[in-house]
Amino acid sequence: NAGVTQTPKFRILKIGQSMTLQCAQDMNHNYMYWYRQDPGMGLKLIYYSVGAGITDKGEVPNGYNVSRSTTEDFPLRLELAAPSQTSVYFCASSKRPGLVTDTQYFGPGTRLTVL
Amino acid sequence: DQQVKQNSPSLSVQEGRISILNCDYTNSMFDYFLWYKKYPAEGPTFLISISSIKDKNEDGRFTVFLNKSAKHLSLHIVPSQPGDSAVYFCAASDTDSNYQLIWGAGTKLIIKP
Repeated sequence: NAGVTQTPKFRILKIGQSMTLQCAQDMNHNYMYWYRQDPGMGLKLIYYSVGAGITDKGEVPNGYNVSRSTTEDFPLRLELAAPSQTSVYFCASSKRPGLVTDTQYFGPGTRLTVL
Repeated sequence: DQQVKQNSPSLSVQEGRISILNCDYTNSMFDYFLWYKKYPAEGPTFLISISSIKDKNEDGRFTVFLNKSAKHLSLHIVPSQPGDSAVYFCAASDTDSNYQLIWGAGTKLIIKP
């Protein structure tokens, strides 16, 4: 099992550009999450999904969009990139629905810089 | 307004000694707490957790203590090993509300040989 994979590892964007951060998991997990981590801060939840076709906002959803067409994939879309979106982005997944206490498995992260 | 605080950005401990990492929270509705460990260029990995119905949970060299009245938890690592050098995140949740974990900013633990 590859676990949770994320691409790209690094990316530099210009202000106003858009991009999609890819996330895939091969553990057949129902729940998937997108977090961002700013320097010196904890992880903040952007969006999460409880299954294919179902997504919901987290703490900091503005400027982002997600979709979940399959169990395996959960891409994060940035439209009109802004310097405030410079961060490290982590995707995670967990198995059991409705149980926040279930262990989350994380990808290695994508380091995004917006100039 | 940080609901979960890890006030020590870094901690240096001699190999073989005890490492104690601290975490404070402000939301009295939090009832489940987790510690994650993160190496550079990797995502966080789950380490240990504790429910608010307990005050201690142990897993090998790792023990988490919860003091609900003080809204404080700590992670003890005994004995500390070089492979324990990493960033440790504390996270908390109100399991009745939603699926969101609230994370602390992390403490970088450095184990000196």
